[in-house]
Amino acid sequence: QKEVEQNSGPLSVPEGAIASLNCTYSDRGSQSFFWYRQYSGKSPELIMFIYSNGDKEDGRFTAQLNKASQYVSLLIRDSQPSDSATYLCAVISFQKLVFGTGTRLLVSP
Amino acid sequence: DAGITQSPRHKVTETGTPVTLRCHQTENHRYMYWYRQDPGHGLRLIHYSYGVKDTDKGEVSDGYSVSRSKTEDFLLTLESATSSQTSVYFCATLGGYNADTQYFGPGTRLTVL
Repeated sequence: QKEVEQNSGPLSVPEGAIASLNCTYSDRGSQSFFWYRQYSGKSPELIMFIYSNGDKEDGRFTAQLNKASQYVSLLIRDSQPSDSATYLCAVISFQKLVFGTGTRLLVSP
Repeated sequence: DAGITQSPRHKVTETGTPVTLRCHQTENHRYMYWYRQDPGHGLRLIHYSYGVKDTDKGEVSDGYSVSRSKTEDFLLTLESATSSQTSVYFCATLGGYNADTQYFGPGTRLTVL
């Protein structure tokens, strides 16, 4: 079992819709959780960080963490074509920052 | 790419030659990481450092070594480059477990012929 798992997608949503991206992790001791956006040919960009159970909102982005279920998600409201990218989930596990393989999001106009 | 640079940005080398990639940060972050990114594999951890002279292996460490003699610099060395090490290499830093200060470098595209 991989330490961090994501559906590779692509996830296709129309402009203005809510995009829901999901991630599961295997290490129950994981403490911190990150969501990144990566455009093709670019380095990953941190968009959200969460370490407490519940929701954390920042603009159009909401991260949700459920440690009991070992599940973290990212909601993107009012999706825009410019949100089309690969979204990477990462967790800190035993001092390592471990990534999932990413979910490709396509937002159609 | 606030406060984190990688050099070189592009490199072409031949099989069997040693290669060193440099990551430099000005954020005074404790943790530093080296990843490679290949299509279909995402970001795979090569080595990481949790302090000066404190390093450990990641999931794809074979053929790579690292050194961290000061906080700012984390070097990745390919002892004898192979074509399978053709990839894009990213360095990342982390301020702490509960810090939202985390940065990626711009990446180094390495081609081994």
